[in-house]
Amino acid sequence: GDSVTQMEGPVTLSEEAFLTINCTYTATGYPSLFWYVQYPGEGLQLLLKATKADDKGSNKGFEATYRKETTSFHLEKGSVQVSDSAVYFCALIPPNTGNQFYFGTGTSLTVIP
Amino acid sequence: NAGVTQTPKFRILKIGQSMTLQCAQDMNHNYMYWYRQDPGMGLKLIYYSVGAGITDKGEVPNGYNVSRSTTEDFPLRLELAAPSQTSVYFCASNYPGGLFDEQFFGPGTRLTVL
Repeated sequence: GDSVTQMEGPVTLSEEAFLTINCTYTATGYPSLFWYVQYPGEGLQLLLKATKADDKGSNKGFEATYRKETTSFHLEKGSVQVSDSAVYFCALIPPNTGNQFYFGTGTSLTVIP
Repeated sequence: NAGVTQTPKFRILKIGQSMTLQCAQDMNHNYMYWYRQDPGMGLKLIYYSVGAGITDKGEVPNGYNVSRSTTEDFPLRLELAAPSQTSVYFCASNYPGGLFDEQFFGPGTRLTVL
């Protein structure tokens, strides 16, 4: 069945360090892929998305590229800030459904000054 | 637009009590969802609705009920609360197939059952 496997945390980085959070997926066809972010005490917010192979989603300095050949959608940021401390969720929607999101278990990121 | 709103923000229940978690959205989304998030875990789908009058079970429906009488509202009912239902509950909505098919989330309800 469809699923998302996400890099386990927690991850602790110093400010201005490079961030990678790995995400791989299992799905038939071409799902839409998402990264959501959850700041402490808040609901999930969409960070970025990609809807077809080789698409790159980007927002707030974060990027992720839809790699069909490796079934991956890794999240990257070149220089993290303390304000990036949050939990990051990878998710997918299978094609032609729209009503069933599959979320990863989340990766907690703490950025220290 | 208020987006997706949830009430209450916090609640403590005793075992066996019941309550309704409220969720409303003002984006005219036809799909709405209820998730629970346990500590250190991802989100698990409880119930979802594809439109007024239509609901369906998700991954973890036991102990919950829902109704969808209007497009805007999607309340979640807990009957006979149990400690295993201690969690953070998120409501979400979207319009699948549209330009923005991502789900929009409410701020959550933190429920403790003692």
